[in-house]
Amino acid sequence: DAKTTQPNSMESNEEEPVHLPCNHSTISGTDYIHWYRQLPSQGPEYVIHGLTSNVNNRMASLAIAEDRKSSTLILHRATLRDAAVYYCILIVRGSTLGRLYFGRGTQLTVWP
Amino acid sequence: NAGVTQTPKFQVLKTGQSMTLQCAQDMNHEYMSWYRQDPGMGLRLIHYSVGAGITDQGEVPNGYNVSRSTTEDFPLRLLSAAPSQTSVYFCASAGKRDATTLYEQYFGPGTRLTVT
Repeated sequence: DAKTTQPNSMESNEEEPVHLPCNHSTISGTDYIHWYRQLPSQGPEYVIHGLTSNVNNRMASLAIAEDRKSSTLILHRATLRDAAVYYCILIVRGSTLGRLYFGRGTQLTVWP
Repeated sequence: NAGVTQTPKFQVLKTGQSMTLQCAQDMNHEYMSWYRQDPGMGLRLIHYSVGAGITDQGEVPNGYNVSRSTTEDFPLRLLSAAPSQTSVYFCASAGKRDATTLYEQYFGPGTRLTVT
């Protein structure tokens, strides 16, 4: 299994930036880094993914360390709706197709 | 598009009963999968399919059967329900970027199953 390590929980105030870290020291050169989040009582939803370069989309930014052993999901202005469990997942290219190993993720609490 | 739909939303079974959880997607995705999520845990893969007529086992396949006769549907069958199968079940689908990688997965809203 491709391993990632995330803090169990983090807190933020509304409208402040949030930086969610993920360590993946055993990542290989072709592994994609994906982030999903799961809002309460819902299925997970895709947030963002990257391979080597930093990535931005309408939901978040993904900053990938130069050695790729860690990455950070950045929510630029947290809202109450961003309170969720965030999962950092490695997609091992060429392995059994589509196996997502979720782990326990980081529970993000956003305070008004 | 409705995306990924699952029925039923809730189900209570007695030990030994069988049932089928339904999953459908309208995005023409080749890849579909079933996960279970136990309280306080991440999701674990039960079975998956890379196209109609092709299925394979994930991490926790025991006690479950699947088939994929169409691109749209991927039902999950519980053969003889046990209390250990009490969980929330999520179905997901994704398009294939190439032979070895997928695009992002889309998840359904889940089925909450209780086995007494």
